[in-house]
Parts: sequence; C-alpha cells; structure tokens
Amino acid sequence: DTEVTQTPKHLVMGMTNKKSLKCEQHMGHRAMYWYKQKAKKPPELMFVYSYEKLSINESVPSRFSPECPNSSLLNLHLHALQPEDSALYLCASSQDPGYPETQYFGPGTRLLVL
Amino acid sequence: QKEVEQNSGPLSVPEGAIASLNCTYSDRGSQSFFWYRQYSGKSPELIMSIYSNGDKEDGRFTAQLNKASQYVSLLIRDSQPSDSATYLCAVIRVGDDKIIFGKGTRLHILP
Repeated sequence: DTEVTQTPKHLVMGMTNKKSLKCEQHMGHRAMYWYKQKAKKPPELMFVYSYEKLSINESVPSRFSPECPNSSLLNLHLHALQPEDSALYLCASSQDPGYPETQYFGPGTRLLVL
Repeated sequence: QKEVEQNSGPLSVPEGAIASLNCTYSDRGSQSFFWYRQYSGKSPELIMSIYSNGDKEDGRFTAQLNKASQYVSLLIRDSQPSDSATYLCAVIRVGDDKIIFGKGTRLHILP
C-alpha cells in the first residue's frame, strides 16, 4: 500500500480564517513533506519532517504552521492567508529521510483564499 | 544554471509512436532519479525510478540514465491519449532530504 491521504480535498477560506490541512500515511515512512503547487509550475517544497522533527523550513511565511503529532500524521495550520496563497497543497512521504528514496504524494488539497 | 532542466513543451506525439522526454541535471552528487506523471489538477504519480547508469524498463516505459553526461530520459512506447500529461523529472542528492523537481514537460498524444 503506497497511499497518502489528505483532507479536505477542497478548501475555501477568507483572509481572517484559521483552518488546518491534514495528511496521513500508514506505510511506516519516517519522512513527511508539505509542498505548494501553483498552476503550470512544479511542486515547491515548504517543510520536511524527519522522525517527527522539523528538519527543513524553506523560508515559509509564519502564516503557515506545520505540525507532526505522530509518525503517521502531518498537519498544516493556516492563519491570515493571502489570495496569492491559493494553490494545490501536496503532502508526501518517504521511507527514510536523508537517503535516496522515493516520495509518494497524496491527492492534494486545493485551497482558495478569498 | 538551474538544477534540473526540462523542455516545457508541449511535446506532441502521434498515438502509437514513441514519446521521448529528456532531463538534465547540474549536480554530479545526484544519486536518485525519478519520473512523475501529473494530470491537470491531480497530484504527481511516480512512474519510474532509476539509480544506476543504463536502461530500466517497466511495461511501455523505459528510463535511461547517463551520469557522465548528466541526463536522464523517459521513453514511452505505443503512446496512448491517456499518456497526455505533464511529466516531472526529479532528482535527489546523496544525504539530502529534498527532491529537486524540473519544471515539467507537457506531453500531448494526438489521436
């Protein structure tokens, strides 16, 4: 099973709202990732969690706050977003961080900020 | 120099022909190479991974890696309209947590 799940599939929020994106995998993977993807662009890395600890933050604005409650779950908390934050948010996981390894992507959450 | 480069396309190929997608990378420390297929509005789907020089075949797909020349390619035989998508080349460096994506090549299979 190489499934990564994400909820919700679609999200519309205002600039003053607080919302959370959720990601889950049950493959025993120890690295989890958040990406942002705009139309006709490749995925852009936001955060990497290795063994439930934040290992990479690609200078993401503080209005995005990641959380890894356990080895299977990854959240992305959203607060005071801007319309330019509208994008497809992808979660991915891989077996071991720091080694050449395949990343598996979830279906994504399509976010629209009004 | 960009780390992973791909021709953005669109690449138009007649149905039944061979589609050839190319990718070059700049870091000689790169060790793992991947091809992802992404349909419009969907997430990337891994279709091939390759780690050593030479060819790797899986069904209609063949990945080719040449580390000396720093390129990786994907051949799709007997192209089908369902192969129309954006193909992302991706690279991981040794000891790195990050996967580096190219900008993708849009492939259009003409019925």
